[in-house]
Amino acid sequence: AQSVTQLDSHVSVSEGTPVLLRCNYSSSYSPSLFWYVQHPNKGLQLLLKYTSAATLVKGINGFEAEFKKSETSFHLTKPSAHMSDAAEYFCVVSDRGYTGGFKTIFGAGTRLFVKA
Amino acid sequence: NAGVTQTPKFRILKIGQSMTLQCTQDMNHNYMYWYRQDPGMGLKLIYYSVGAGITDKGEVPNGYNVSRSTTEDFPLRLELAAPSQTSVYFCASSVGGGQGNYGYTFGSGTRLTVV
Repeated sequence: AQSVTQLDSHVSVSEGTPVLLRCNYSSSYSPSLFWYVQHPNKGLQLLLKYTSAATLVKGINGFEAEFKKSETSFHLTKPSAHMSDAAEYFCVVSDRGYTGGFKTIFGAGTRLFVKA
Repeated sequence: NAGVTQTPKFRILKIGQSMTLQCTQDMNHNYMYWYRQDPGMGLKLIYYSVGAGITDKGEVPNGYNVSRSTTEDFPLRLELAAPSQTSVYFCASSVGGGQGNYGYTFGSGTRLTVV
């Protein structure tokens, strides 16, 4: 069965320091993995995606994530946080279900706070 | 391009009232979805559609109905509003099923309060 766990509900960093948002997943097949960002009172925006190509994926706004199959992880990182990065981040797994259709599961979200 | 457009942005309903949340996309995407977002719970799929005339239930369909008469439009109907339906509702679309290789495009959401 599929599942996705975001290990931290809140992360607080200082501006200019690295960001790490952790995501573990489980999947019976070969999943596609995504990170979305949601700024206050806005819809979700796709940050980056892994779809079985390169395991290190680069996204928008300097974010990247590494797919580690052995650890079933897809952590999101950024070398230097900016105040505009303050938002909620969702890890998402999408995979083929047993009936052949796709199933998509959203994590509960991690709220990132950036201190000046 | 406008992408995915949702209306209204905010609405307050009384218990037992009905309303329709509108969703329109101009990207010619076959797949469309309705999600609800509750605090600390991520997004839960209400209904989805793989093309005009085809809809199916998601995880939490009770109390909702949908229709898909055109590729562009995917309205969500609440027939008898209940406080448990207080939430933020997002419409999304995608080129392929399960987001495929392209991910979802989301609308900006409708914040619904049932009192």
